[in-house]
Amino acid sequence: AQSVTQLDSQVPVFEEAPVELRCNYSSSVSVYLFWYVQYPNQGLQLLLKYLSGSTLVKGINGFEAEFNKSQTSFHLRKPSVHISDTAEYFCAVSDPTGFQKLVFGTGTRLLVSP
Amino acid sequence: NAGVTQTPKFQVLKTGQSMTLQCAQDMNHNSMYWYRQDPGMGLRLIYYSASEGTTDKGEVPNGYNVSRLNKREFSLRLESAAPSQTSVYFCASSVAVSPLHFGNGTRLTVT
Repeated sequence: AQSVTQLDSQVPVFEEAPVELRCNYSSSVSVYLFWYVQYPNQGLQLLLKYLSGSTLVKGINGFEAEFNKSQTSFHLRKPSVHISDTAEYFCAVSDPTGFQKLVFGTGTRLLVSP
Repeated sequence: NAGVTQTPKFQVLKTGQSMTLQCAQDMNHNSMYWYRQDPGMGLRLIYYSASEGTTDKGEVPNGYNVSRLNKREFSLRLESAAPSQTSVYFCASSVAVSPLHFGNGTRLTVT
């Protein structure tokens, strides 16, 4: 069975500072990895995904993540955050069976202050 | 383009009452899903439907039933609501290895 660990439940950061949100996964098979963002009172939106190929994945809103197979990690980074990045971020994993039964982490709330 | 539409947006039930959460997608996706979101627990899969006519249990199916009415619609039914089912419910859809598209959720309170 797959699982995802997001160790940080909340990450406070100042505007224009860099941020890293950590995600570690466990799986006995190859995986697809995702980061989703949830703004208040909304559903989840895809930020970026890793299916195969380059381990550095770029997403929307200036976010990027790096797949590290040896460390089973998929950390999300942004070099300079904005107030509007305040949201909850979820890492998720699935196996490549042709449809996606995502397993989500517990989420990290990013709080950006001026 | 509506995407994934969930109704209702909010609902309050008394213990033992029943209700059906509706979900419809207009993207011609094959697969549909129901998740629940609880504080500190992320999203957990309740049921999914890989294609029209099939449904399967996810991680937390107890107390729920689903119906894949057609390719567009996937409903979630609570036969006898319990306070433990107080949650935010999300419907999602996808095709092949495309990312999931989520609705805006239904906030359910069971008293």
